[in-house]
Amino acid sequence: AQSVSQHNHHVILSEAASLELGCNYSYGGTVNLFWYVQYPGQHLQLLLKYFSGDPLVKGIKGFEAEFIKSKFSFNLRKPSVQWSDTAEYFCAVNSDNAGNMLTFGGGTRLMVKP
Amino acid sequence: DVKVTQSSRYLVKRTGEKVFLECVQDMDHENMFWYRQDPGLGLRLIYFSYDVKMKEKGDIPEGYSVSREKKERFSLILESASTNQTSMYLCASSSSQGAHPGANVLTFGAGSRLTVL
Repeated sequence: AQSVSQHNHHVILSEAASLELGCNYSYGGTVNLFWYVQYPGQHLQLLLKYFSGDPLVKGIKGFEAEFIKSKFSFNLRKPSVQWSDTAEYFCAVNSDNAGNMLTFGGGTRLMVKP
Repeated sequence: DVKVTQSSRYLVKRTGEKVFLECVQDMDHENMFWYRQDPGLGLRLIYFSYDVKMKEKGDIPEGYSVSREKKERFSLILESASTNQTSMYLCASSSSQGAHPGANVLTFGAGSRLTVL
């Protein structure tokens, strides 16, 4: 079965610091990759996704992620975080043998100090 | 605005009770999902449905069942609630249309926080 690992469970940063959240998956075939975000008290929502083309994907609010197939990774980055980025971030993977099913990582809780 | 609506935000039930969690979407999506969200474990798929009356087991189906009698409604049933089912339950839906249906975005509901005493 597909597995998704997010290595950082809790991250605390000061405003303007750079962010990188790791995500690794186990499936060796074709994948669709997602980052979802859950702001405090809000629904989970899409941050960005990759399904083909340029492996560097840009999403909302200045976030980007890079798909590195050889490393089975899809790390999330932001050059300068803001207090409003405080949220929980989830990496998710859909593999071509799983239909419409998504497998989520364990999540990373980010706190940005003002 | 597209919506996935979960009927109950907070529920408190006793061990052994039967629990129904309802989810309705207004986007005419084919796929609907039930996840549970637990700290450190992320979201784990319980069941999903890709069409009316169709269902597939996810990663953790034990102790749960589902019902999809209408396209817009997907119900999660705990036949006999247990304390280890205390969790946040998230419903989601997605379209199966398009050239890359596996890349279609999930729209989530607000969640139902269930406490089993």
